Amino acid sequence: DSGVTQTPKHLITATGQRVTLRCSPRSGDLSVYWYQQSLDQGLQFLIQYYNGEERAKGNILERFSAQQFPDLHSELNLSSLELGDSALYFCASSVEGRVETQYFGPGTRLLVL
Amino acid sequence: AQRVTQPEKLLSVFKGAPVELKCNYSYSGSPELFWYVQYSRQRLQLLLRHISRESIKGFTADLNKGETSFHLKKPFAQEEDSAMYYCALSAPQGAQKLLFGQGTRLTINP
Repeated sequence: DSGVTQTPKHLITATGQRVTLRCSPRSGDLSVYWYQQSLDQGLQFLIQYYNGEERAKGNILERFSAQQFPDLHSELNLSSLELGDSALYFCASSVEGRVETQYFGPGTRLLVL
Repeated sequence: AQRVTQPEKLLSVFKGAPVELKCNYSYSGSPELFWYVQYSRQRLQLLLRHISRESIKGFTADLNKGETSFHLKKPFAQEEDSAMYYCALSAPQGAQKLLFGQGTRLTINP
């Protein structure tokens, strides 16, 4: 599968901990988007990077941060985790940074106990 | 504030029956509307967007600015249409972020 890959697939951790989620975009895609899908909030846009630079920001908490590296992979860092952070975190990528061309990854399921 | 509302969490219809998944939005300007679909064990994928005015897999959606709606319709449902459907808004047009509705789980009964 040469699409968007995300690791790990599943992650179980405790409150107060910090985790890093990784996303590798499709070959040639310069833009990466992060989304959070939870039962109570639904699917929410968190942040977008384009060629290493932050381009758009959504409902991302201050405890969360992200970056896109020179090889275009991206990491989403979640710290001081709370029970409510339990969710499915999706990454998507696109060539030009246009929302309508986004290709989604399979997601990382995070469970905070 | 911008908002996307999908009033039905669950929708069940019989194969061959018409399907309509409702989506209402609130935005005072000219948004861009999308429908995304997630089949079981598959990734979220774009189904259609209002600008392209196309029919994908027999589905169509018309933007009604007067009613601020973007309902998804298909005249004859098929079992393979069973999936989770999300309506999404990008506003203003060309903005980089999507605002999603809560989603509707569509089940097509044989």
